[in-house]
Amino acid sequence: EAGVTQFPSHSVIEKGQTVTLRCDPISGHDNLYWYRRVMGKEIKFLLHFVKESKQDESGMPNNRFLAERTGGTYSTLKVQPAELEDSGVYFCASSQPYHYEQYFGPGTRLTVT
Amino acid sequence: AQSVTQPDIHITVSEGASLELRCNYSYGATPYLFWYVQSPGQGLQLLLKYFSGDTLVQGIKGFEAEFKRSQSSFNLRKPSVHWSDAAEYFCAVGSRSGGYNKLIFGAGTRLAVHP
Repeated sequence: EAGVTQFPSHSVIEKGQTVTLRCDPISGHDNLYWYRRVMGKEIKFLLHFVKESKQDESGMPNNRFLAERTGGTYSTLKVQPAELEDSGVYFCASSQPYHYEQYFGPGTRLTVT
Repeated sequence: AQSVTQPDIHITVSEGASLELRCNYSYGATPYLFWYVQSPGQGLQLLLKYFSGDTLVQGIKGFEAEFKRSQSSFNLRKPSVHWSDAAEYFCAVGSRSGGYNKLIFGAGTRLAVHP
């Protein structure tokens, strides 16, 4: 069984540009989460999807971040326009319905210059 | 508010030595607790979890953790460390709300292993 995959593994963009991160959860996992770790700080929750619906987006930093989950399958996280403080590692995780274990992808390292 | 504290940012041990990584949490109800490990270039891997029942839980790679409610702790232990255990370790508490689980992480403990 394939794990959670994320693309790209690393992205370097200039301030003001747009970047889209993609996450493919484990097949059958209705729950999909995005987290972010900024420069050696804690990994922080961004948002949670149940299938295609946003269940909780309380961790999204501001309206420059837009997350979607098309058809309840893969998810994208767009940052537009990117700022320097957006640099960090973005993790995606998924879990089965009514299960609390989350399985993480390898992360996307975003560098904004 | 829920929080997780990992007091040790960096720990160095010799290969074969025992290991204990500390984790303290703040949570109003019975917590769901997790330890994850991130090896260099890898994603977060679930080592073990505690939901209820036996307070000593076994995980993968020879790790175990003990839940102590009176101390609000969930320390990770391994009796004999291998060089491949060098990684960053994260303790997390599940903030359960509406039937799902939002993880709150500690800052992580980076483990170095001397040969």
